[in-house]
Amino acid sequence: TQLLEQSPQFLSIQEGENLTVYCNSSSVFSSLQWYRQEPGEGPVLLVTVVTGGEVKKLKRLTFQFGDARKDSSLHITAAQPGDTGLYLCAGGDTGKLIFGQGTTLQVKP
Amino acid sequence: DAGITQSPRHKVTETGTPVTLRCHQTENHRYMYWYRQDPGHGLRLIHYSYGVKDTDKGEVSDGYSVSRSKTEDFLLTLESATSSQTSVYFCAISESAGNTYEQYFGPGTRLTVT
Repeated sequence: TQLLEQSPQFLSIQEGENLTVYCNSSSVFSSLQWYRQEPGEGPVLLVTVVTGGEVKKLKRLTFQFGDARKDSSLHITAAQPGDTGLYLCAGGDTGKLIFGQGTTLQVKP
Repeated sequence: DAGITQSPRHKVTETGTPVTLRCHQTENHRYMYWYRQDPGHGLRLIHYSYGVKDTDKGEVSDGYSVSRSKTEDFLLTLESATSSQTSVYFCAISESAGNTYEQYFGPGTRLTVT
């Protein structure tokens, strides 16, 4: 059974700080995705990483896929209150995705 | 934004009553999914569909059934609602691109079973 474990589960930081969220598995995935969810809304896709070692940047967010395609990280530089939300990683090789349990990020002004 | 709507958005029902949630898409995507989201459990797949009248179970399918008679509609039915089915339910759609299945989610339905 494929599992994705995210850490930390909760993160509360001050505006301007940097942070990293990790998504780990013992299984190999052909791709991993990151989603962000705000309260009362559905998750929204941020990025998909496909190639081992791949790095993608989305403004202040940097996503990396591990060389062995078993893990991924999300790094946020100079966090802002607007970054507050639930971050979810997801992976799968067929039509079904496996989701991590999520990381709740709170950025205080 | 992907054209996905869910109805109703909120529902309160009593234990033992049947409930049907509807997901409607305007994107003509092949894959549709139903998830439930509970604190501490993330998103868990209930059922999914890979085409009209083609459905399969997810990891938490007990007590739920689905139907897809048209590409655009995917219905989730709780035959006899229980308090453990109180949750937020999300529908998602996807179209394969190689080995990636990027999913686009609806706004969710908050269901309370009393």
